[in-house]
Amino acid sequence: AQTVTQSQPEMSVQEAETVTLSCTYDTSESDYYLFWYKQPPSRQMILVIRQEAYKQQNATENRFSVNFQKAAKSFSLKISDSQLGDAAMYFCAYRMSDTASKLTFGTGTRLQVTL
Amino acid sequence: DTAVSQTPKYLVTQMGNDKSIKCEQNLGHDTMYWYKQDSKKFLKIMFSYNNKELIINETVPNRFSPKSPDKAHLNLHINSLELGDSAVYFCASSRTGPNQPQHFGDGTRLSIL
Repeated sequence: AQTVTQSQPEMSVQEAETVTLSCTYDTSESDYYLFWYKQPPSRQMILVIRQEAYKQQNATENRFSVNFQKAAKSFSLKISDSQLGDAAMYFCAYRMSDTASKLTFGTGTRLQVTL
Repeated sequence: DTAVSQTPKYLVTQMGNDKSIKCEQNLGHDTMYWYKQDSKKFLKIMFSYNNKELIINETVPNRFSPKSPDKAHLNLHINSLELGDSAVYFCASSRTGPNQPQHFGDGTRLSIL
């Protein structure tokens, strides 16, 4: 069974600084998809970024980028120029390349942004 | 304007009651999901429907019964509510395909007294 591990329950970053959230996963598949979702205090889950395992190039969305290391099964999220609005729970998620597959989430990392 | 809407947002009820949570999406997606988020924020899939057909049915007590009357709606009915059912339940939708992002509703916080 696929598992997703987020080893940092909480992280803190100062406004305008950079922070990296860790995620590792376990799978025997070669083709799959990885996602980072953000859950602010408002509770809604919002997609931050996604990565296809067959792509070597790391995904980037504005201030958010990933470091995808397929051999190490690692998928970290880097947030640059952190803003107060980035404070939230961040969930890493994995999905096999099968339409009927499920999205498996990690346990989340709570990110605090300080002034 | 709302993409995925769930009702109600809050539900407080007693043990043993039966309750339903409704979900509707106006994104034209053909796949919908129900997730449960427990008190430790762990999020787990419960069910998924694609074009009104059940495609994912995780190990969930059969007191939980999803119903999809059409592609835009996926409701969750829960019989004989138990204390352990207290959680936030999220509905989500997406286009067909494992790379498609899922769009989540705001969640329904269910509290069992």
